[in-house]
Amino acid sequence: GQQVMQIPQYQHVQEGEDFTTYCNSSTTLSNIQWYKQRPGGHPVFLIQLVKSGEVKKQKRLTFQFGEAKKNSSLHITATQTTDVGTYFCAGWGDGGATNKLIFGTGTLLAVQP
Amino acid sequence: DGGITQSPKYLFRKEGQNVTLSCEQNLNHDAMYWYRQDPGQGLRLIYYSQIVNDFQKGDIAEGYSVSREKKESFPLTVTSAQKNPTAFYLCASSPRLARGAFFGQGTRLTVV
Repeated sequence: GQQVMQIPQYQHVQEGEDFTTYCNSSTTLSNIQWYKQRPGGHPVFLIQLVKSGEVKKQKRLTFQFGEAKKNSSLHITATQTTDVGTYFCAGWGDGGATNKLIFGTGTLLAVQP
Repeated sequence: DGGITQSPKYLFRKEGQNVTLSCEQNLNHDAMYWYRQDPGQGLRLIYYSQIVNDFQKGDIAEGYSVSREKKESFPLTVTSAQKNPTAFYLCASSPRLARGAFFGQGTRLTVV
């Protein structure tokens, strides 16, 4: 079945450093979504990318969807302590697997002040 | 206030008992989902529903059952057949498939 992997599993940075998490799908995705889950909380939708090669920015966050629509990345510039949490990518399948929203394994970000 | 509500927040049950988790949304969303999250793990899809009276199994449906009799409601029953039911259960909804999902606060189920 469709699998979505993320690397790294865990990243510890000093406040002010940059952070990147990568998302790779075993199958082509019709679109990719990114969510943030604070410790003890529930996932919160951040953004959706649809087009091949698409790049979107939200303040210090930059999201990219790969040309082949099988991978994506989230880059945070100059991390802050409020960025702490687990970042998940999630994808809808393409072709015959369009009905399931499958989440990646997640990357836990820790930011040291 | 529009949103998606899960209740209760914490639930304790004895082994061998069925338990039903509630999920209600007033966002007028067509699609609803149930995910399970284990400590330090990602979200695994249990069941999802695109429209009323229709639902499909996700990747880990064994030991679970759902119903979608109303657009607003998508309850999940954890049956005694589920071998490791202790987990954090998250319900979500979206306007339709292939749109961002909104999550409830989750229910932490502990089976003793």
